[in-house]
Amino acid sequence: AQTVTQSQPEMSVQEAETVTLSCTYDTSENNYYLFWYKQPPSRQMILVIRQEAYKQQNATENRFSVNFQKAAKSFSLKISDSQLGDTAMYFCAFITQGGSEKLVFGKGTKLTVNP
Amino acid sequence: DAGITQSPRYKITETGRQVTLMCHQTWSHSYMFWYRQDLGHGLRLIYYSAAADITDKGEVPDGYVVSRSKTENFPLTLESATRSQTSVYFCASSERRGRNEAFFGQGTRLTVV
Repeated sequence: AQTVTQSQPEMSVQEAETVTLSCTYDTSENNYYLFWYKQPPSRQMILVIRQEAYKQQNATENRFSVNFQKAAKSFSLKISDSQLGDTAMYFCAFITQGGSEKLVFGKGTKLTVNP
Repeated sequence: DAGITQSPRYKITETGRQVTLMCHQTWSHSYMFWYRQDLGHGLRLIYYSAAADITDKGEVPDGYVVSRSKTENFPLTLESATRSQTSVYFCASSERRGRNEAFFGQGTRLTVV
């Protein structure tokens, strides 16, 4: 079974500081894509960053970066220079290339950025 | 307008009634998904579809029915609504080429009383 585990239900960080959200996953497939989605209070799901499993280089998008450890099946999200607008639920997800092709999500981490 | 839209945004229904949630996307994406979001459970996959006339069960399919006669539409039907189906429902679509990114609708908040 393909699963995603986010071990931190809630986290908080001070504005301008750095925070890391953890994610581990389990799959027997070799080709897949990993994602972090953000869900602010508006409820809209917004893609933050994506990573192809075949790429060793960690993805970065402005203040957001990932630490992808394929052997450990770990995909953490680092948010630098945290802003009040980063307050949201963050979901880790992945989809396999081939296989069951389901887009599977973790339970989410609620991040609060404090002023 | 281009994008993925869900309707209705809010729905209150009674136990035992049939209700259909609509999802429409304009990109001709091959893949479409239905999720329910509940506190403490994240997003759980109900059903997904790889193409028109191809659907498959997700993690929590019981009590739900889907169809996909056209690529752009993927309705979700609750055959006989129960209070446990009170939730926020999200539809998403993606294309397996390129970025593989999934795009989400705005969600439907369904309350079963």
